[in-house]
Amino acid sequence: SQTIHQWPATLVQPVGSPLSLECTVEGTSNPNLYWYRQAAGRGLQLLFYSVGIGQISSEVPQNLSASRPQDRQFILSSKKLLLSDSGFYLCAWSTGTVDEKLFFGSGTQLSVL
Amino acid sequence: SQKIEQNSEALNIQEGKTATLTCNYTNYSPAYLQWYRQDPGRGPVFLLLIRENEKEKRKERLKVTFDTTLKQSLFHITASQPADSATYLCALAYGSGNTGKLIFGQGTTLQVKP
Repeated sequence: SQTIHQWPATLVQPVGSPLSLECTVEGTSNPNLYWYRQAAGRGLQLLFYSVGIGQISSEVPQNLSASRPQDRQFILSSKKLLLSDSGFYLCAWSTGTVDEKLFFGSGTQLSVL
Repeated sequence: SQKIEQNSEALNIQEGKTATLTCNYTNYSPAYLQWYRQDPGRGPVFLLLIRENEKEKRKERLKVTFDTTLKQSLFHITASQPADSATYLCALAYGSGNTGKLIFGQGTTLQVKP
């Protein structure tokens, strides 16, 4: 069966520090991968998605970047965190077929202080 | 721009009653709509998908309707239980191809009291 791993679960970082969140998927090949952010009391906002290795699409301009160095690995990064980067970050995958649902990881709660 | 709205106020109901959650959207014609459940501090979990040519979909105690004229989906939980307490999110697909990009509502929190 397929599983998605996301870590760390919580992270407290000072403003201006770098960030690296990692997500890996097991049990499937060539998944579509996604990074979402959920701010308190707001809906999930799609940040990046990838349909293959090295293929990254950004949905909103921001202080973050994403990379997909391997088929089932998706990394969210920042060189210098801002206060506004605080939030609940969720990685997700789908099979890439029409109408497919998303499978989410357990999330990372990021607090930038 | 595309917009999805769910009732931001929490819904409190008594155990055994039917919970009804609403999802409205504007400036949009989605091919399908999905509902997810999210527990505190966890990632959302997929519940149901309904396509634009389907009026109603059922799964156990769950029922979803999709009215493309009203641009609205209703999500029902019959015989609700305290374990159904969670935040429920609706989501619509956007973009072209099979990218699976979804836009989510902000969610409605359901509290079922014993």
